[in-house]
Amino acid sequence: DQQVKQNSPSLSVQEGRISILNCDYTNSMFDYFLWYKKYPAEGPTFLISISSIKDKNEDGRFTVFLNKSAKHLSLHIVPSQPGDSAVYFCAASAYNQGGKLIFGQGTELSVKP
Amino acid sequence: ETGVTQSPTHLIKTRGQQVTLRCSSQSGHNTVSWYQQALGQGPQFIFQYYREEENGRGNFPPRFSGLQFPNYSSELNVNALELDDSALYLCASTPGGLAGAQETQYFGPGTRLLVL
Repeated sequence: DQQVKQNSPSLSVQEGRISILNCDYTNSMFDYFLWYKKYPAEGPTFLISISSIKDKNEDGRFTVFLNKSAKHLSLHIVPSQPGDSAVYFCAASAYNQGGKLIFGQGTELSVKP
Repeated sequence: ETGVTQSPTHLIKTRGQQVTLRCSSQSGHNTVSWYQQALGQGPQFIFQYYREEENGRGNFPPRFSGLQFPNYSSELNVNALELDDSALYLCASTPGGLAGAQETQYFGPGTRLLVL
């Protein structure tokens, strides 16, 4: 049972435009959500997180939106840059499961010059 | 730079062998988690250690075991290797106290294991 899903395996965007990466979840106990970026041959790098008590969190070019009623979160990157090309994972955790992170399958973002 | 290091970077083993993977966290990171990432998948939680005690386990068989040491290093041991154990193994550490909700995990670069 896939509790965190990223339904788009890949996304291609022009440099300077907005990239929107989506993530859906099924477990209503999740209360903390994170986005990680991963380059080949490296470990995931933390990007941004959001608590379930918020619906938006911003950090520079990155904004995460959380819609709890729809069990959906999205990562917006504005403006997109070629260096943003990587695989993006969303992850979720629940307060009653310790620090266990449940990851989606990832979306490969390609930003073209 | 997360301050989390892993060794070795790559490893080749044969089916039935045993392997030990190592992770070193930053000083003060009391919690370490291990994940397995198969090709084309997201990382899957193996287990977590807090102050040298196992603090949670995913759906992995007992032949996956771990240790955490007082010097913020840890090990993942896998016995009786199977072909499906071929994957990237990631450790992640959490600064501060027990990793409960709303704490960010910082990952190392991983060890890529190939089982032939």
